Amino acid sequence: DAKTTQPTSMDCAEGRAANLPCNHSTISGNEYVYWYRQIHSQGPQYIIHGLKNNETNEMASLIITEDRKSSTLILPHATLRDTAVYYCIVLSSNTGKLIFGQGTTLQVKP
Amino acid sequence: DAGVIQSPRHEVTEMGQEVTLRCKPISGHNSLFWYRQTMMRGLELLIYFNNNVPIDDSGMPEDRFSAKMPNASFSTLKIQPSEPRDSAVYFCASRPGTTGNTIYFGEGSWLTVV
Repeated sequence: DAKTTQPTSMDCAEGRAANLPCNHSTISGNEYVYWYRQIHSQGPQYIIHGLKNNETNEMASLIITEDRKSSTLILPHATLRDTAVYYCIVLSSNTGKLIFGQGTTLQVKP
Repeated sequence: DAGVIQSPRHEVTEMGQEVTLRCKPISGHNSLFWYRQTMMRGLELLIYFNNNVPIDDSGMPEDRFSAKMPNASFSTLKIQPSEPRDSAVYFCASRPGTTGNTIYFGEGSWLTVV
């Protein structure tokens, strides 16, 4: 399974865009990049996923580099409720298993 | 859609007792996952089922842990006998269709073994 590397923690000002980076240099051609977040005491929440192209939904945007070795999750207007641990995960195409790393703790500050 | 439903939400039990955690996946989903989360080890995949059949149980810590899925709408994770180091949050998750689809998580069962 491809490994991911994320910063341990990040801060963001409320109302500003939060840009969370992720490195996945060993990703295979048919493996997806998934992003989940976990707000304290809750189950992990799906945010977005992508294969090659950039993706956008009501929660966030996902920018994947052309070589697919890294990606960035963008929360366009962060709110205090976006404070959470954000996990970048490469989904194994063989097994379909989500293997979580340590994630990035995002603190949105007033 | 009710989402993945887990019970109990909280349980406190004494060391040596049997613990049974329950999960109802989202209707129509054919894959089910059990995860465990602790401060020290983060989120760990314990076992997953596809069409009620265990596919990968390599994450199950030891023989005290067992999981079953008797039908498409119900799964159990059992710990017997329980130990204090089993204290954790246990999450169940489910997914429709094939391996590329999104996995959805329940709210977890908080287990404390004293």
